[in-house]
Amino acid sequence: AQKITQTQPGMFVQEKEAVTLDCTYDTSDQSYGLFWYKQPSSGEMIFLIYQGSYDEQNATEGRYSLNFQKARKSANLVISASQLGDSAMYFCAMREGRRSGNTGKLIFGQGTTLQVKP
Amino acid sequence: EAQVTQNPRYLITVTGKKLTVTCSQNMNHEYMSWYRQDPGLGLRQIYYSMNVEVTDKGDVPEGYKVSRKEKRNFPLILESPSPNQTSLYFCASSSEGLVKNIQYFGAGTRLSVL
Repeated sequence: AQKITQTQPGMFVQEKEAVTLDCTYDTSDQSYGLFWYKQPSSGEMIFLIYQGSYDEQNATEGRYSLNFQKARKSANLVISASQLGDSAMYFCAMREGRRSGNTGKLIFGQGTTLQVKP
Repeated sequence: EAQVTQNPRYLITVTGKKLTVTCSQNMNHEYMSWYRQDPGLGLRQIYYSMNVEVTDKGDVPEGYKVSRKEKRNFPLILESPSPNQTSLYFCASSSEGLVKNIQYFGAGTRLSVL
């Protein structure tokens, strides 16, 4: 069964420093997509970054980058130059493929709460 | 602006009183889905739809109904809400149901059933 594991319930980072949020995944599929979402205290779920299993380069989106290590099945999110507005819950997720019986849903980890200190 | 719009954002109701949470997307997406988020249980899929008139159950469909009469709309219906349906609900959409397609979420609906 597919699974996402985020082992850091909470993290602190000083403003303007970089931080890495860990994510490991488990799947027997060759084709899969990995996503990171941000959930601020207001509750909405905001898409940050995507990495495909066949992508050879690590994804980047502004201050967000994804450190994708396929052999280790890890997809860590790196936030550079942290800002106070980065304080939120961060979720790693994997999308199910369209194999028989699958629904195309996102499988989420338990999340990591990031607090940025001024 | 491309977006998924859910209404209402907040809802307090009583047991047994039928309610509908609306979801609309303006991105011409084929795939739409409902999730609920609960502490300790994470996000779980309730129902999904691959296209108009094509809907199917997710992991926790009991007590919910959906319909997909138009491509842009995917309402979630609670015919007889119960307190265990108190939760944060999200509607999401993507262009298709493929692994590479990004699911965009609505702002969420906080439902309390008394």
